[in-house]
Amino acid sequence: EPEVTQTPSHQVTQMGQEVILRCVPISNHLYFYWYRQILGQKVEFLVSFYNNEISEKSEIFDDQFSVERPDGSNFTLKIRSTKLEDSAMYFCASKVDHSNQPQHFGDGTRLSIL
Amino acid sequence: KQEVTQIPAALSVPEGENLVLNCSFTDSAIYNLQWFRQDPGKGLTSLLLIQSSQREQTSGRLNASLDKSSGRSTLYIAASQPGDSATYLCAVISGKLIFGQGTELSVKP
Repeated sequence: EPEVTQTPSHQVTQMGQEVILRCVPISNHLYFYWYRQILGQKVEFLVSFYNNEISEKSEIFDDQFSVERPDGSNFTLKIRSTKLEDSAMYFCASKVDHSNQPQHFGDGTRLSIL
Repeated sequence: KQEVTQIPAALSVPEGENLVLNCSFTDSAIYNLQWFRQDPGKGLTSLLLIQSSQREQTSGRLNASLDKSSGRSTLYIAASQPGDSATYLCAVISGKLIFGQGTELSVKP
């Protein structure tokens, strides 16, 4: 069964450094999402992306964050200057179209900011 | 603003017991509701998706119900097994997913 893959599984970065989290959505999916889960807290929506542009973003998704689909397969989340509070599990998800189909999630990238 | 709450936060049951996990949401204007399973340190596995026009969905030993008017959903697990031990998350869908905090289930052999 096709799946969403995320790399790396664990990223350790010094505070202030830039980090790029990578996702390969399911190949025929058109809608893409990033979520994060701070340890012990709820999974929170960050951003949705469709047709090469952001369709919705949360208050968390400030100017330090950006997303890109650089080619036909990858979907990336960049954090420009990481802060300690960016430490979390980041999940990528994709959905085939706008219909009532479920979002499929990757296994996540654990980001640790030192 | 949509708020999703799950009760209880944690549940421990003996193997074989039937159990119900609860999810409530404050705004009934949702498209769908989805239940997930999360194992420690792992991603989210979709269990069931209930469309807003549906009342319930079943998959094997799992049955999820949805009552939009009262802002509630339940996940019923029949004949629980130790392998069911995980955190169960519900999420309401209005484009994006809005998650509850989860119920941590432990099934004892």
